[in-house]
Amino acid sequence: SQKIEQNSEALNIQEGKTATLTCNYTNYSPAYLQWYRQDPGRGPVFLLLIRENEKEKRKERLKVTFDTTLKQSLFHITASQPADSATYLCALYRRGNNLFFGTGTRLTVIP
Amino acid sequence: EAQVTQNPRYLITVTGKKLTVTCSQNMNHEYMSWYRQDPGLGLRQIYYSMNVEVTDKGDVPEGYKVSRKEKRNFPLILESPSPNQTSLYFCASSPPLSGPYNEQFFGPGTRLTVL
Repeated sequence: SQKIEQNSEALNIQEGKTATLTCNYTNYSPAYLQWYRQDPGRGPVFLLLIRENEKEKRKERLKVTFDTTLKQSLFHITASQPADSATYLCALYRRGNNLFFGTGTRLTVIP
Repeated sequence: EAQVTQNPRYLITVTGKKLTVTCSQNMNHEYMSWYRQDPGLGLRQIYYSMNVEVTDKGDVPEGYKVSRKEKRNFPLILESPSPNQTSLYFCASSPPLSGPYNEQFFGPGTRLTVL
């Protein structure tokens, strides 16, 4: 079955630095990869989607890369702010199947 | 306001007492889905529906039922809840003709405790 690993449960960084979160997957190559943000007690909120034939996607301070050879996606938040503190989830879609979510990385941006 | 709503938000019940968690979306989405979220296991899909009267099992369907009689509603039914169904449940929907590979809009969650 599909296995998705997000690099760590928790990541602390200093305000203004770039946060880099990792999503590794095994077994199958996804057609799409998505990143979500989840705040405590709330439902996940969609951030970015990247397709298998795309290397990189950007949205404001967010950047996602997708390396199908390494079976890895990196999620970057540049110029991080305390308001970016949340749990970030990656999710993979494989053709003919549904979304599989990772367990998430809890990011804390320290002022 | 475009949204996915769930009711109730919190529920404490006892083993074996049937319950229904409602989910409704006002965005005319065709695809709807239910997930449960548990510590260390992440979000796992329970059931999904590609359209009215079309439902299918996700990864963890045992002990759950769903129905999709109208486009906007997708209730989750626990016929005989057990303590291992204590979890945080999320309903989600996706824009028309895109299924699960486009962005999912999630509801606020329902925290269920089965004693």
